[in-house]
Amino acid sequence: QSALTQPASVSGSPGQSITISCTGTSSDVGGYNYVSWYQQHPGKAPKLMIYDVKNRPSGVSNRFSGSKSGSTASLIISGLQAEDEADYYCSSYTRSSTLVVFGTGTKVTVL
Amino acid sequence: QVQLVESGGGVVQPGGSLRLSCAPSGFTFSSYGMNWVRQAPGKGPEWVALIWFDGSNKYYADSVRGRFTISRDNSKSTLYLQMNSLRAEDTAVYYCARDRVGSSGFVGAFDIWGQGTMVTVSS
Repeated sequence: QSALTQPASVSGSPGQSITISCTGTSSDVGGYNYVSWYQQHPGKAPKLMIYDVKNRPSGVSNRFSGSKSGSTASLIISGLQAEDEADYYCSSYTRSSTLVVFGTGTKVTVL
Repeated sequence: QVQLVESGGGVVQPGGSLRLSCAPSGFTFSSYGMNWVRQAPGKGPEWVALIWFDGSNKYYADSVRGRFTISRDNSKSTLYLQMNSLRAEDTAVYYCARDRVGSSGFVGAFDIWGQGTMVTVSS
């Protein structure tokens, strides 16, 4: 099971919006609405930001939103803030014997 | 306060064994499926194993199947990962993580994570 494909880095200025893509196949992203997004700061555990493609857990800022088209999911961060600088990973449920596959990760830099 | 605390990591030689533990607090442990997820240095997370809320079903990543065993003791509120035949490529921070949906199924969305425990496989 190959990792989902994400851009290595994305950057933006404070207040701007950025989009992180996550590309899979019909066996994972394209086949299920079980895409999640995680934020990870250095030395910390990942934090769930989006689940089931577009839903936010309680306590997560509404500046974070998710969507999906075909086998590509997207995380949109609006009103970029310095605290958003972190690594972001997508994940998806998959029909393979390895039930969950993560993305390659995207480093977000706030300029 | 909802949290998970892992323990048991350390340095082990190739071919050796190690058992990790995860202690939850702040939620009803027996109502949730639990997972182990690892992250090698400088790499992204990798899902390792899942055990259903009642321990009735277990699933493993291809990379660890046959070498690792996930288990739980709901009476002691503890999750375990027994790791045998360890290899250098198993070196990683190991996290226990709660699946969001509880006893109603599994969707691979992990809403609570521990702080992680480091496992180093080296001679």
